[in-house]
Amino acid sequence: SYVLTQSPSVSVAPGQTARITCGGNNIESRSVHWYQQKPGQAPVLVVYGDSDRPSGTPERFSGSNSGNTATLTISRVEAGDEADYYCQVWDSSSAHQGVFGGGTKLTVL
Amino acid sequence: EVQLVESGGGLVKPGGSLRLSCAASGFTFSTAWMTWVRQAPGKGLEWVGRVKSGGATDYAAPVKGRFTISRDDSKNTLYLQMISLKIEDTAVYFCATEGYNYRENALDVWGQGTMVTVSS
Repeated sequence: SYVLTQSPSVSVAPGQTARITCGGNNIESRSVHWYQQKPGQAPVLVVYGDSDRPSGTPERFSGSNSGNTATLTISRVEAGDEADYYCQVWDSSSAHQGVFGGGTKLTVL
Repeated sequence: EVQLVESGGGLVKPGGSLRLSCAASGFTFSTAWMTWVRQAPGKGLEWVGRVKSGGATDYAAPVKGRFTISRDDSKNTLYLQMISLKIEDTAVYFCATEGYNYRENALDVWGQGTMVTVSS
């Protein structure tokens, strides 16, 4: 089955840029979605299809996907961005299973 | 307003059964693909399975054969029937729309979740 690997944590000062990575074998051939989850809340879609933003997602959030790594970049980080972030793809090689990365905790210093 | 509301969670003994519901409103439920995702306490998200419009289903390996996803389009409701429950099924269960608003089957609208605790 397909595996997505995320670093457990990323820390950044307010106003700086946070980069959260998601590793997977030839992940560039897949469409990657990113979700933000704050404590006690349901996840929220923040980037879909590698780099598109749903309505309501600030332009500070952007995504890219190349080679074996997809990246969620958050520019001008704010305290309110502190959350867990999960990447997700569909694995059509195994009966179209959903696959999530293990999640990255973003801490705003 | 698009809304998903889960219900039916609770405490159940190992080997027991439980049925979760997800009531949908604010969109055309019958055309939506719907997914269940769970999150064990303190852990990450885990895909459980999905039902497409029309009723075809896919399941994650840990739940295949024990969980059944179904839908009643006349009631705008999604279901997750769980049998032979194990302690490791303890989690918050979320329902979500799949690819309704955005391409590539993104999980674009989520419910608030319902807690299932499997314990003796």
